[in-house]
Amino acid sequence: AQKITQTQPGMFVQEKEAVTLDCTYDTSDPSYGLFWYKQPSSGEMIFLIYQGSYDQQNATEGRYSLNFQKARKSANLVISASQLGDSAMYFCAMREASGGTSYGKLTFGQGTILTVHP
Amino acid sequence: DGGITQSPKYLFRKEGQNVTLSCEQNLNHDAMYWYRQDPGQGLRLIYYSQIVNDFQKGDIAEGYSVSREKKESFPLTVTSAQKNPTAFYLCASTTHRDSKNIQYFGAGTRLSVL
Repeated sequence: AQKITQTQPGMFVQEKEAVTLDCTYDTSDPSYGLFWYKQPSSGEMIFLIYQGSYDQQNATEGRYSLNFQKARKSANLVISASQLGDSAMYFCAMREASGGTSYGKLTFGQGTILTVHP
Repeated sequence: DGGITQSPKYLFRKEGQNVTLSCEQNLNHDAMYWYRQDPGQGLRLIYYSQIVNDFQKGDIAEGYSVSREKKESFPLTVTSAQKNPTAFYLCASTTHRDSKNIQYFGAGTRLSVL
């Protein structure tokens, strides 16, 4: 079973509009972390935002916010005021803490390609 | 500037040849990771190391080998046993001092078979 599911292969948004990228996850571990990364065409993975499973508040980092719905096991990324430079592939990832045998291992989704139109 | 340096940016492998991808970090991070990315796909973990002189297999370790002789360095060797090595390889590192364990990545190496 997929641990991280990103159901939107591609998304389009108009410049200055907000966009939501979906991510659902599957884990039985009570302690886990959720991450979003941006991958521009150059290939480098850029860390955007982190949400811990015990965090009470939704994480925010500048124009990025994470809509964390624990009961639904979803961790959607919201980008406000989209810019042309936001066009990239976006990955959701999860780190589970159980067992310590896979310390720090990230499991990635398939990604969503975001295109920002002027 | 602190960061993670991967070299080379592009690498070509001949049939039956072993090649080594370099990953160096000056962030004083404890753990280092190697991921493989195929076109249009997410990343898959090859190997990881939490501490010097220790490393563990990830999900797709067959055909690869690593070493961790220094904290700063975690080279990946793609051996001739890896029959489909063409991919984008990303190295990452993180510190145990932060409970978030955010992984930071290098710029990657694109490996192709001649």
